[in-house]
This record gives sequence, C-alpha cells and structure tokens, in this order.
Amino acid sequence: NAGVTQTPKFQVLKTGQSMTLQCAQDMNHNSMYWYRQDPGMGLRLIYYSASEGTTDKGEVPNGYNVSRLNKREFSLRLESAAPSQTSVYFCASTGSTDTQYFGPGTRLTVL
Amino acid sequence: GENVEQHPSTLSVQEGDSAVIKCTYSDSASNYFPWYKQELGKRPQLIIDIRSNVGEKKDQRIAVTLNKTAKHFSLHITETQPEDSAVYFCAACHGAGSYQLTFGKGTKLSVIP
Repeated sequence: NAGVTQTPKFQVLKTGQSMTLQCAQDMNHNSMYWYRQDPGMGLRLIYYSASEGTTDKGEVPNGYNVSRLNKREFSLRLESAAPSQTSVYFCASTGSTDTQYFGPGTRLTVL
Repeated sequence: GENVEQHPSTLSVQEGDSAVIKCTYSDSASNYFPWYKQELGKRPQLIIDIRSNVGEKKDQRIAVTLNKTAKHFSLHITETQPEDSAVYFCAACHGAGSYQLTFGKGTKLSVIP
C-alpha cells in the first residue's frame, strides 16, 4: 500500500515548455487535489476532483489544466510554463472522511 | 471564499515548554479543522483534527480547541521536544462533499534544546 505517489520528484523547465505532473493513489479514494506550496504562502488549491469524471477550479487555477484519468490517477498539466510557476506541487486524496493524505511532492523550477 | 489566518509565523520555545498556535477562519459553514506538521523537505502529515460539534480534542502531548462563536481554533503542544521542530499548518474545510481545505500560511516552530 504505497498511499499517494507523485512523479517526477524534481523537474527543471524552460519558460514556454510544457509538462505533466502525475499523481496516483491506491487507497480507493474518491476525491483528489493538486496544491502548490510557495515560501510563506502555505498550500494553495489549484484544482480538485470530487469524484471520478469531475474536476473543479480551486484558488489558483490559471496556467494549469487537470485530468482525472480514472479513480486512481489525477494529473496536472502546465501547457506553457512560466517562472511564476516555480513551486513545490503536492497531490492529495481523501476517501469517506475529511482527512487528506499527501504525496511526497514535485519540486518544479522554471527558468 | 474561506480565509484562514494563522499566528505567529515563527515561534521559538525552550525544550519542555508549551507552544500555542492560533488560527481564525471566516466561513461560519466550515465544519472540519485539521492541523498538519511538515518537516523540511517532506510532505504535510496530519497530526490532529477537530470537527465543529466538538470543543476540544487531545492526543497525548497535542490538543486542539475550537471556538465556533469566535471562529478561531488553536493547537497546543505541551512538553515540547526537539523533534517537534517543524512547520505547522492549520486548515478549514468548507466544501460539503468535496472536502476542500483552505490552509493558513504556517508557523515555523523551533524547539531549543
């Protein structure tokens, strides 16, 4: 039981490049989330998926897209990366209770 | 939307002393309040949570209190140890069915041996 996993762990992009961050959970959770964490800003919700087949914007969705591929997987895509998207990205999931379980994070640098 | 304020942003205590971190929230409909601990370079991990029908919850050296009328909740750590040093985040849940969390900006706790 791996919990929530994320790939890659680290990534460096040039401005304008695109990439997809992958997230998977093996806890049969319905809801999944993408957050970004910046120094002094806490965690801010980018997008979430309350259940398979649905996605909704969070607090800071601009510049991102998501796909809930199936119940296990929820990906985050940057179509044209900008330096302002340099951050640590966390995926999380929750089941029938409110408790959110976080993945290990992806550290992204955009030059 | 929900707004969560967290204070202080940094806190230093001597080993064995108590530490208190306070949060306020704006949405009276919020009904779930977790606290997360994040060590350097690691993921946030839940340490304790409280629901709106409870005023206080305790787990060994950690306790959380909730005042719904004033819309604030606090984390209390007693007998602090060096391994308690980390960043602590409070959060409030305001989305029925989707469990959306709004986080405070964090408190960096340093426990001095």
